Amino acid sequence: DTAVSQTPKYLVTQMGNDKSIKCEQNLGHDTMYWYKQDSKKFLKIMFSYNNKELIINETVPNRFSPKSPDKAHLNLHINSLELGDSAVYFCASSRPPGQGNHEQFFGPGTRLTVL
Amino acid sequence: LAKTTQPISMDSYEGQEVNITCSHNNIATNDYITWYQQFPSQGPRFIIQGYKTKVTNEVASLFIPADRKSSTLSLPRVSLSDTAVYYCLVGPTRGFQKLVFGTGTRLLVSP
Repeated sequence: DTAVSQTPKYLVTQMGNDKSIKCEQNLGHDTMYWYKQDSKKFLKIMFSYNNKELIINETVPNRFSPKSPDKAHLNLHINSLELGDSAVYFCASSRPPGQGNHEQFFGPGTRLTVL
Repeated sequence: LAKTTQPISMDSYEGQEVNITCSHNNIATNDYITWYQQFPSQGPRFIIQGYKTKVTNEVASLFIPADRKSSTLSLPRVSLSDTAVYYCLVGPTRGFQKLVFGTGTRLLVSP
């Protein structure tokens, strides 16, 4: 009964390709996020969506385009992949502001390797 | 968001109590202190959150002194499965929460 799920778990691709990572949460949360964890293990937020609207965009290259078809899904599409995009990408979700402690629930991660 | 400083790594043995201290000298009045745990190849997991004094749950305790410039995560009687990276985060809970993760503390529990 997974709370936040991501597919695929592993993604190996060539430079210049376009790929997508999917995220789904069954917690009924309104807010979803994408984080990137690089090889040095630094975890940085990329995007946040609340109720399908973009709220946070941390100066991520426009090759990265999040899409939220509904509140339960936040997908990440990456165009023209570069070597530096290799990382683990985590999706997360939380309750909206004013409800609880805003604990974020993370998915298992997608390890992207660009060759 | 307030910057945090934690030890890079700590070692312990099974059954011991582990205390991880985090410094956050620039903490703002409306900031809360939150700790996350990350196992290898997994996403971070919320452990505990507090504003002042002491908070305890089934996993850990969080001690926050009156000046709130530091906090201590206490893990009672650790086991091998507590080997993980522990992140201290400071920020407001109101508004859209942009978690800023530092380098974390890598805890290694040995038999």
